[in-house]
Amino acid sequence: AQSVAQPEDQVNVAEGNPLTVKCTYSVSGNPYLFWYVQYPNRGLQFLLKYITGDNLVKGSYGFEAEFNKSQTSFHLKKPSALVSDSALYFCAVRDMSPPSGAGSYQLTFGKGTKLSVIP
Amino acid sequence: NAGVTQTPKFQVLKTGQSMTLQCAQDMNHNSMYWYRQDPGMGLRLIYYSASEGTTDKGEVPNGYNVSRLNKREFSLRLESAAPSQTSVYFCTAGLYNEQFFGPGTRLTVL
Repeated sequence: AQSVAQPEDQVNVAEGNPLTVKCTYSVSGNPYLFWYVQYPNRGLQFLLKYITGDNLVKGSYGFEAEFNKSQTSFHLKKPSALVSDSALYFCAVRDMSPPSGAGSYQLTFGKGTKLSVIP
Repeated sequence: NAGVTQTPKFQVLKTGQSMTLQCAQDMNHNSMYWYRQDPGMGLRLIYYSASEGTTDKGEVPNGYNVSRLNKREFSLRLESAAPSQTSVYFCTAGLYNEQFFGPGTRLTVL
């Protein structure tokens, strides 16, 4: 079974400061990892993904994430936070080589972390 | 190119009423999914369809049914709505490396 943990329900950061939103995962094989962002009353928007290759992944709006296999983590980072980054962030995982069957593309999402950037 | 669309955007039902949430995609993806989002619970998979003509249960299927009408459309039906089904429902379509979300349906069951 695959699972995701986002240990912080809320993260507060001052505008201009670096931000980190934490994510750890569990899969039986190698992972595909994703970050999505949700603004109020909207659907989820894709930010970035790790499939293979470089452990540092760059995505939309200046966000990046670092895949750390030994720590089974995929933390989301941004060097300088903006007030407009305030939103709900979701980490998701799926096993790269799941058991065969129709569910093989199923993503498992974390519970979400609310990011508040304070002016 | 609208991506993934959902109707209705909002709905209020009384306990015991039935309704169908509609979802359509113009991205030509084989796989489609229905999730529900509840505060503090994240997103939980209700049902999915790996391809036209196939559907399978996800994590929380009880009280729901689905129909994959064709490659574009994947509907979610509540036969007898319960207050526990008050939630925001998202339809997605996608591949192994990305899922695209619809705008959601906010459902309240009184």
